[in-house]
Amino acid sequence: NAGVTQTPKFRILKIGQSMTLQCTQDMNHNYMYWYRQDPGMGLKLIYYSVGAGITDKGEVPNGYNVSRSTTEDFPLRLELAAPSQTSVYFCASSQSGGMSEKLFFGSGTQLSVL
Amino acid sequence: AQKITQTQPGMFVQEKEAVTLDCTYDTSDPSYGLFWYKQPSSGEMIFLIYQGSYDQQNATEGRYSLNFQKARKSANLVISASQLGDSAMYFCAMRHNAGNNRKLIWGLGTSLAVNP
Repeated sequence: NAGVTQTPKFRILKIGQSMTLQCTQDMNHNYMYWYRQDPGMGLKLIYYSVGAGITDKGEVPNGYNVSRSTTEDFPLRLELAAPSQTSVYFCASSQSGGMSEKLFFGSGTQLSVL
Repeated sequence: AQKITQTQPGMFVQEKEAVTLDCTYDTSDPSYGLFWYKQPSSGEMIFLIYQGSYDQQNATEGRYSLNFQKARKSANLVISASQLGDSAMYFCAMRHNAGNNRKLIWGLGTSLAVNP
């Protein structure tokens, strides 16, 4: 099984450019998440979705947008990239939002904004 | 406020020995769940073990066990018989029932190096 697939793995952007980080999962999970991980820090939730057509903000949503048109896909859009968005981005999914529900993660996208 | 604290930035252990990675948490919610994830150098976060606040027994998953001390608000990960492949970052995380329980609160992680 592919699990959670993220593309690209690496990307360098110039300040002000835009890009979309792709995420797809083949486990038919309802919940999907976008996290960012800054050096020496834990993960911070950017956006999440509980199903197709439903998204909500996490802890650090500013500068990002998401959409969820299908169960499988949850792209993250960066508009007007800034150096503060240099980070490693992880997409994750889970079957539900239950207390014990574990997350399945993609391999990450390393983004540098210069 | 809910918080996860991992006080050990880095740990070393000899191959085949056991190691304990510390995690303390802070929450006023009686219902919560605690997770440990492993992040090898490849980057992907891998689920290891889960402990619910109402679980009577300490969680175990193969060589991983969780030393859950509720009164002390600690949930330490014990890795027995360390292997070279255990070298990685380890993150403790908590999900609580109050408010938005889809949010996992993460610690800063502990880097574990297993020496041959």
